[in-house]
Amino acid sequence: ELVLTQSPATLSLSPGERATLSCRASQSVSSYFAWYQQRRGQAPRLLIYDVSKRATGIPARFSGSGSGTDFTLTISSLEPEDFAVYYCQQRSNWPGQLTFGGGTKVEIK
Amino acid sequence: EVQLVESGGGLVQPGGSLRLSCAASGFTFNDYEMNWVRQAPGKGLEWVSYISSSGSTVHYADSVKGRFTISRDNAKNSLSLQMNSLSAEDTALYYCARYLRNLESLDYWGQGTLVTVSS
Repeated sequence: ELVLTQSPATLSLSPGERATLSCRASQSVSSYFAWYQQRRGQAPRLLIYDVSKRATGIPARFSGSGSGTDFTLTISSLEPEDFAVYYCQQRSNWPGQLTFGGGTKVEIK
Repeated sequence: EVQLVESGGGLVQPGGSLRLSCAASGFTFNDYEMNWVRQAPGKGLEWVSYISSSGSTVHYADSVKGRFTISRDNAKNSLSLQMNSLSAEDTALYYCARYLRNLESLDYWGQGTLVTVSS
């Protein structure tokens, strides 16, 4: 069973600072990896797909990287609207069977 | 514009049943695979179920296997989730989401429908 472990659970930063979020997979299942942002009271939205590609409309300050079992989401300079919860996601055994990480909350320091 | 609108949530007693629906518009529904994802109050995202574009292949999380049934009506651009034998652990906001098979990610999400299981 694939497990995605996100760290840290909470990141306290100020606007303008750089945020680095990590996600570690318990095994290497797929080369594809995604990140989602969920603002308070809203549905999740796709930020990054295929490890490093930004979804439509996502600003360039968001970037994804990684391979194998270690993946990273970087926000180069935090804007007020970026304070939210971020989830990583990868396919499990079969197409469409998905696993999410536990989430990282980026909060205002 | 892609839109996914869930409905059918509500308050149900333990052991009861509920049927959720997701109305899709703005894209060719029968070209896409779909998923249900849920989020318990104050918790993270949990994948629930998947259905292929034709409806011939389905998958379920272990936590709902044998109790939930996913289905779709491509003629009506509709996705459904039949939930039986509900327990308090099923209390959550249920989202339908469009799946990009070649990119293994969910590119559009609905706003969710709330299911509360309580006596």
